[in-house]
Amino acid sequence: KAGVTQTPRYLIKTRGQQVTLSCSPISGHRSVSWYQQTPGQGLQFLFEYFSETQRNKGNFPGRFSGRQFSNSRSEMNVSTLELGDSALYLCASSLGGLRTDTQYFGPGTRLTVL
Amino acid sequence: AQSVTQLGSHVSVSEGALVLLRCNYSSSVPPYLFWYVQYPNQGLQLLLKYTSAATLVKGINGFEAEFKKSETSFHLTKPSAHMSDAAEYFCAVSLSGGGADGLTFGKGTHLIIQP
Repeated sequence: KAGVTQTPRYLIKTRGQQVTLSCSPISGHRSVSWYQQTPGQGLQFLFEYFSETQRNKGNFPGRFSGRQFSNSRSEMNVSTLELGDSALYLCASSLGGLRTDTQYFGPGTRLTVL
Repeated sequence: AQSVTQLGSHVSVSEGALVLLRCNYSSSVPPYLFWYVQYPNQGLQLLLKYTSAATLVKGINGFEAEFKKSETSFHLTKPSAHMSDAAEYFCAVSLSGGGADGLTFGKGTHLIIQP
């Protein structure tokens, strides 16, 4: 069974631009979560989607948004990029997003904002 | 609020020696706990998880962890370190729907294996 895939793997953008990241979950998984990983803040939860609905959101500004499609694929969008948005963005999928469900992570998208 | 504390941002052990990575959590409800490993330029891979069954949990690659409620700890151990164990290790806690509120991660511990 194929794992979680994320595209692109690397991105370089400039301040003020916007970016869209894509995540394809493991087949059959309906929950997709996004995390930001930086050296200073570590791993932080962005938001989670289940059946095309955002169920919860972490403590990030509205510039960070996402959506999920009927095939469970998810996209994350960051508008008006800032230097501090440079990070590794990780996507994770799980069957139903229950507490006991294991979240399986993709390799991440490395975003660099210049 | 839930939180996870990993003692020691860097831990160095000799090959063949015991590996002990410490994790303490704070929670007002029974937690579900996870250990993940991250190799350079890769995502996170689950090592093991505790979901209120057996307190001693065995994972992949010879790792195990013991849930101790009285100490609010979930330390990760491996009897004999191998060079391939060198990586970043993260402890995480889930207090509500694993996806709904996300996982709360510790800051991570970088494990260094000395030959």
